[in-house]
Amino acid sequence: DAMVIQNPRYQVTQFGKPVTLSCSQTLNHNVMYWYQQKSSQAPKLLFHYYDKDFNNEADTPDNFQSRRPNTSFCFLDIRSPGLGDAAMYLCATSREENTQYFGPGTRLTVL
Amino acid sequence: EDQVTQSPEALRLQEGESSSLNCSYTVSGLRGLFWYRQDPGKGPEFLFTLYSAGEEKEKERLKATLTKKESFLHITAPKPEDSATYLCAVRNSWGKLQFGAGTQVVVTP
Repeated sequence: DAMVIQNPRYQVTQFGKPVTLSCSQTLNHNVMYWYQQKSSQAPKLLFHYYDKDFNNEADTPDNFQSRRPNTSFCFLDIRSPGLGDAAMYLCATSREENTQYFGPGTRLTVL
Repeated sequence: EDQVTQSPEALRLQEGESSSLNCSYTVSGLRGLFWYRQDPGKGPEFLFTLYSAGEEKEKERLKATLTKKESFLHITAPKPEDSATYLCAVRNSWGKLQFGAGTQVVVTP
């Protein structure tokens, strides 16, 4: 089945220690998104790639970076995680600006 | 600025007790209203897209409707497996998706 895959599902890191979250897709969608979702809150868009074009949201901290080496993969790098970065990170994909399909998420814990 | 407000925040239903969830929105140039279901610890699962006022979509016990200012998700004769958080999102003329905080639904046997 075509799907969006996120690894790992759970990630524990230490305060200030860089961490990378991974997303891959078999849907062959050209747009990939990263959202942050804290408990009982709406998902918040961090950035997205439209094909190879990177689009950063104005209020996304510089601490968050992303890479998309090819159509199928996208990475979220958190350079120096703080306690406030503990959250669920959701990857989504879409064909053009159509319906977004989400992966299962990665729960990040910062100690 | 685009805004999505969902109510109630939480809803507790008895099995078979039908109810409706509300999603009120303000958006610059609506290019679609989306409903997702999210189970605890998982990513949102797509349910419906509505594009214009008067449009309705159904899937099993769920029915979504749309007006110019709000959308309703009707749950008819819910079962315990319908327990989840239901998220509403609107897409504006720039293509950006704005989510509401969701309604947490618990259906008890």
